[in-house]
Amino acid sequence: QKEVEQDPGPLSVPEGAIVSLNCTYSNSAFQYFMWYRQYSRKGPELLMYTYSSGNKEDGRFTAQVDKSSKYISLFIRDSQPSDSATYLCAMRLYSSASKIIFGSGTRLSIRP
Amino acid sequence: GAGVSQTPSNKVTEKGKYVELRCDPISGHTALYWYRQSLGQGPEFLIYFQGTGAADDSGLPNDRFFAVRPEGSVSTLKIQRTERGDSAVYLCASSLRQQETQYFGPGTRLLVL
Repeated sequence: QKEVEQDPGPLSVPEGAIVSLNCTYSNSAFQYFMWYRQYSRKGPELLMYTYSSGNKEDGRFTAQVDKSSKYISLFIRDSQPSDSATYLCAMRLYSSASKIIFGSGTRLSIRP
Repeated sequence: GAGVSQTPSNKVTEKGKYVELRCDPISGHTALYWYRQSLGQGPEFLIYFQGTGAADDSGLPNDRFFAVRPEGSVSTLKIQRTERGDSAVYLCASSLRQQETQYFGPGTRLLVL
């Protein structure tokens, strides 16, 4: 069993829709939770970062962490075609600053 | 400003050959990381440098893989006796200091025939 599980998709939604992306994890020691966006043939770029349970909002993006359920989500409001990319959830142990554990990524397509 | 750059962008080699992949981190970043991303998967950690030294090499799959960062800036990932299973995108990232945001390069796409 992988430490971080993520539905690979692909997920296709119409422009303007609310998108929900999710990951589950098995290691309760994970303390830092991140979402990366990766466009085709590019490296991942950090979208959001949080280390506590609850919601964190940044513009059209909301990251949600539920440590009791070991479940994290990313919501995208008013989705745009430019949001079409692969979204990777990622986690880091408090005690191991160097290593990031990534999910397998969800391919998202926003239809104009 | 310039981001993380990686060369070559693509590399095709034959099974058994030796390859070197180069990473130029963001200027001033002391921490440098290598990851490997197979098709349809997320990046997988390989090795982390703090300055010139490898602080964590627990992700290197076997002794065919080796990385150096002799002057604390540019890093080279070296793969000996390449195998078809080594085919992947090799990503480099750097951060200003340990535990800070990692900025990724575009990767080197390695294909072993």
